[in-house]
Amino acid sequence: DVKVTQSSRYLVKRTGEKVFLECVQDMDHENMFWYRQDPGLGLRLIYFSYDVKMKEKGDIPEGYSVSREKKERFSLILESASTNQTSMYLCASSSGQKNQPQHFGDGTRLSIL
Amino acid sequence: GENVEQHPSTLSVQEGDSAVIKCTYSDSASNYFPWYKQELGKRPQLIIDIRSNVGEKKDQRIAVTLNKTAKHFSLHITETQPEDSAVYFCAPLLPAGNMLTFGGGTRLMVKP
Repeated sequence: DVKVTQSSRYLVKRTGEKVFLECVQDMDHENMFWYRQDPGLGLRLIYFSYDVKMKEKGDIPEGYSVSREKKERFSLILESASTNQTSMYLCASSSGQKNQPQHFGDGTRLSIL
Repeated sequence: GENVEQHPSTLSVQEGDSAVIKCTYSDSASNYFPWYKQELGKRPQLIIDIRSNVGEKKDQRIAVTLNKTAKHFSLHITETQPEDSAVYFCAPLLPAGNMLTFGGGTRLMVKP
């Protein structure tokens, strides 16, 4: 069974702080994704990665960056946190083969004060 | 990019009734069509998926039907139970980029 682990379930940070959200998957998946989920807005893609050191912008990359130094780990970075980044953040991974589902972590509920 | 719409946004049914959620998409290149279920406070989980060479797929009480010509696919749940209460998302896949585009979600409430 695929396991996607996010480092924190709940996180509280202050405006202006640099915030790191970590995600690790254990299935040797090539693809990894970061989404944010807000009420009424569904899941929106922030960044994704097809391979180590590769990254691509999603629909809402502003204010975020990512790092993929190892295949199993994909980090989301909030360079200078702002209150409008308070949200639920979901990490997902999928195989690099065609037409494969994404598997999600439990999410990190981030509050920026 | 892909435009994805789900209808209805909320659905309330009596236990034992059937529920149908429809998803329309815009990109004819999409060829993989999953449905995810997200219970309150939990992760989205894949419940059923279909690929474009098949018109229908069934797994016990849930089924998915695909109409590629009309660019829509639907989730069917029969004999609904209270534990089916959740938010359901469709997420057609764009082959270029292997990206899912999520619909806005449908909140299903099954009343005992």
